[in-house]
Amino acid sequence: QVQLQESGPGLVKPSETLSLTCAVSGASVTDYYWGWIRQPPGKGLEWIGYIYFTGTSNYNPSLKSRLTISVDTAKNQFYLSLRSVDAADTAVYFCARRTASGNYYLTWGQGTLVTVSS
Amino acid sequence: DIQMTQSPSSVSASVGDRVTITCRASQYISTFLAWYQQKPGKAPKLLISAASNLQSGVPSRFGGTGSGTDFTLTISRLQPEDFATYYCQQANSLPLTFGGGTKVEIQ
Repeated sequence: QVQLQESGPGLVKPSETLSLTCAVSGASVTDYYWGWIRQPPGKGLEWIGYIYFTGTSNYNPSLKSRLTISVDTAKNQFYLSLRSVDAADTAVYFCARRTASGNYYLTWGQGTLVTVSS
Repeated sequence: DIQMTQSPSSVSASVGDRVTITCRASQYISTFLAWYQQKPGKAPKLLISAASNLQSGVPSRFGGTGSGTDFTLTISRLQPEDFATYYCQQANSLPLTFGGGTKVEIQ
């Protein structure tokens, strides 16, 4: 079955760039749309954006000016890059696979906590 | 953005109880709605898509209804493993948005 695994630094300094990788196994990144969702500690879920292997992407307008989501078909991975972070970006970041039928997220990674602090 | 409002924010219930959670969208979303279950320290799990479509492997005690702006998740007979936080999510338009969550606690 499809499995996702996030990786990246757990601590990022304010004003720097948060970079995460999602490794996909059990499927090809060319098969589905892939997304990122985050959850600040003790709070609710926020959709960050999605990408398709063709490069088609869509971002949450609240993050769009700082955000890049990309995909590497050769490595079967996709990526999140969030620039100029501050404490409000501290969250558990999840990568996820969208369903074939619509904007629902069926398969999720375990999540990775990223703390923004000096 | 479409705002999703869940109620209640928390509910205390006992094993065997019927629990109902509601989700209201700030504008019409047809049946483009999902329900997720999240346990502490874990990723959300998709229970229901398209307002009422139960995902494979999800127990039949979970049911979703609604269309337009008002939706309901019902757990017909609460089991110990159902104590968790539940989120609705609209899938009608971007950006996708989630409700604030409903925590189902043991009474």
